[in-house]
Amino acid sequence: AQTVTQSQPEMSVQEAETVTLSCTYDTSESDYYLFWYKQPPSRQMILVIRQEAYKQQNATENRFSVNFQKAAKSFSLKISDSQLGDAAMYFCAYRRSASNNLFFGTGTRLTVIP
Amino acid sequence: TAGITQAPTSQILAAGRSMTLRCTQDMRHNAMYWYRQDLGLGLRLIHYSNTAGTTGKGEVPDGYSVSRANTDDFPLTLASAVPSQTSVYFCASSDRPTSGRVYNEQFFGPGTRLTVL
Repeated sequence: AQTVTQSQPEMSVQEAETVTLSCTYDTSESDYYLFWYKQPPSRQMILVIRQEAYKQQNATENRFSVNFQKAAKSFSLKISDSQLGDAAMYFCAYRRSASNNLFFGTGTRLTVIP
Repeated sequence: TAGITQAPTSQILAAGRSMTLRCTQDMRHNAMYWYRQDLGLGLRLIHYSNTAGTTGKGEVPDGYSVSRANTDDFPLTLASAVPSQTSVYFCASSDRPTSGRVYNEQFFGPGTRLTVL
């Protein structure tokens, strides 16, 4: 069974600083996808970034980047130049390649301090 | 484009009553999903449907049923609600899963907050 673990229930960061959110996962599959979703107070789930397991290069989307360590089954999210609008719950998620079923971690609540 | 709509936005329900949560998408996606979100547990998959006419069980299917009569609609029914079904329910949709390395993004609806007393 796939499990996704986020060990940081809460994190905080000063505005304009950098923060890293951690995620580890367990799987016996070799081909899969990993995702980070953002959930602001509006409750809407927003895809932030994704990583294909077969790609060695870490994904980057503007101020968001990941550190994907396949052997260690680790997938952390780095937010650079943090903004007030980044304050939200962040969920790490996994799905294997031939399925659309997502498995989510328990989330990390990020607070951005002005 | 509306994307995914869910109704109602919120609901308070007496234990033992039945309830159907509605979900409609206008993106012509083959696959649809229902998740529940509980504090401290993240989102968990209840049921899914890879195409109209088929459904499958997710991680936490007990106490819930679904149907998929057409591409656009995927209602979730609680036949006899219990307090442990108090949660926020999210519907999502995506293209149908395929073999090989094809990325199908899931798009989420705004959620329904259900309280069972």
